[in-house]
Amino acid sequence: SSKLTQDPAVSVALGQTVRITCQGDSLRSFYASWYQQKPGQAPVLVISGKNNRPSGIPDRFSGSNSGNTASLTITGAQAEDEADYYCNSRDSIANLIVVFGGGTKLTVL
Amino acid sequence: QVQLVESGGGVVQPGRSLRLSCAASGFTFSSYAMHWVRQAPGKGLEWVAVISHDGSNKDHADSVRGRFTISRDNSKNTLYMEMNSLRAEDTAFYYCARDRRDILTGYYDDWGQGTLVTVSS
Repeated sequence: SSKLTQDPAVSVALGQTVRITCQGDSLRSFYASWYQQKPGQAPVLVISGKNNRPSGIPDRFSGSNSGNTASLTITGAQAEDEADYYCNSRDSIANLIVVFGGGTKLTVL
Repeated sequence: QVQLVESGGGVVQPGRSLRLSCAASGFTFSSYAMHWVRQAPGKGLEWVAVISHDGSNKDHADSVRGRFTISRDNSKNTLYMEMNSLRAEDTAFYYCARDRRDILTGYYDDWGQGTLVTVSS
């Protein structure tokens, strides 16, 4: 099956912009979705498809795609954005398989 | 309001079996594909299995294929995961997640709170 690669950790100063990336061959065929997970909580969808935010997700979260890379950008990071972020997508080889990236721990300084 | 409530987790010995349930409410359960996703303590998310809205299509991750089976009962609005031949590496929180459509998209609009399975002698 395919594999999605994320940087293990990223940090950003309060109020600055940060981009979290996800790389994998499946992203040439399928859009990624992005999930935020805070300690002790279930994941929450923040971005799906081309750049769709569920209701309730602040507009400082946005998504983009280029080739085999999907990106999640937080413009004006807030303290409450400190969390683990995971990307996922459908597998480009096996029809019904889903793959997750390893996750990126975001620290807001 | 969508609710997904997992149950059935606990401590089990290696080689034994366990069945997880996920009770759904607040939406038309029979219209959506459903997934199980797990997370070992302190580790990342791992996709486990998917089942289409009517149960006609399903698949499992290589790590559990042949040991775990996903199923659903649309009359009871409930998703299941039958887990056999459990191993220590199956220890994890198990989440059920609702897909956006009747078939797999991989977009999880809703998640349960998870149930912990611990495989230990």
